[in-house]
Amino acid sequence: QSALTQPPSASGSPGQSVTISCTGTSSDVGGYNYVSWYQQHPGKAPKVIIYEVSKRPSGVPDRFSGSKSGNTASLTVSGLQAEDEADYYCSSYAGSNYVFGTGTKVTVL
Amino acid sequence: EVQLVQSGAEVKKPGESLKISCKGSGYTFTNYWIGWVRQMPGKGLEWMGLIYPGDSDTRYSPSFQGQVTISADKSISTAYLQWSGLKASDTAMYYCARRSPGGTSGWYYFDYWGQGTLVTVSS
Repeated sequence: QSALTQPPSASGSPGQSVTISCTGTSSDVGGYNYVSWYQQHPGKAPKVIIYEVSKRPSGVPDRFSGSKSGNTASLTVSGLQAEDEADYYCSSYAGSNYVFGTGTKVTVL
Repeated sequence: EVQLVQSGAEVKKPGESLKISCKGSGYTFTNYWIGWVRQMPGKGLEWMGLIYPGDSDTRYSPSFQGQVTISADKSISTAYLQWSGLKASDTAMYYCARRSPGGTSGWYYFDYWGQGTLVTVSS
């Protein structure tokens, strides 16, 4: 099972939007609506911010949104804030397996 | 409050064995899958495997099958990850995470995470 492909980095100024892609295959991202996204600050454990492609857990700001088209999922962070600077990982269920993305470092300029 | 509390950092030599733990509290431990995730220094997340403590049903990532053993003791609400012969390449942070319950709470994601256990293997 190969890792899902994400861009290594993305950046934006406060208040701007940034979108991160997550490309897999028909065996994972394209085959299931079970894509989740995790935010990880340095030295901290990951935290789920999106599940089932576009759902937000309680407490996650609505600045975070997710979508999917074919084998590619996307995470958009609107109205960037300083605290959004972190690493972001997508993940997909792959039929009794799970696969994570390669990770994207988001920098708030 | 749901919590997953992992055992402390370990420093081991190559070839040694190790078992790290993840204790769940604040929920019915036997009803939720627990997963293990590796993060090598400066690298991304890798899914290692899952266990259902209720019946010890275990699934492994093909990349980790045969390399580690995942187990659980439901009497003390604790899941384990163990190695029988550590290598330097096992140096990493290891996280346990609870899989979501399904239904209206959502499927196939990890909703609560432990704080991580740093394993360092060096001669």
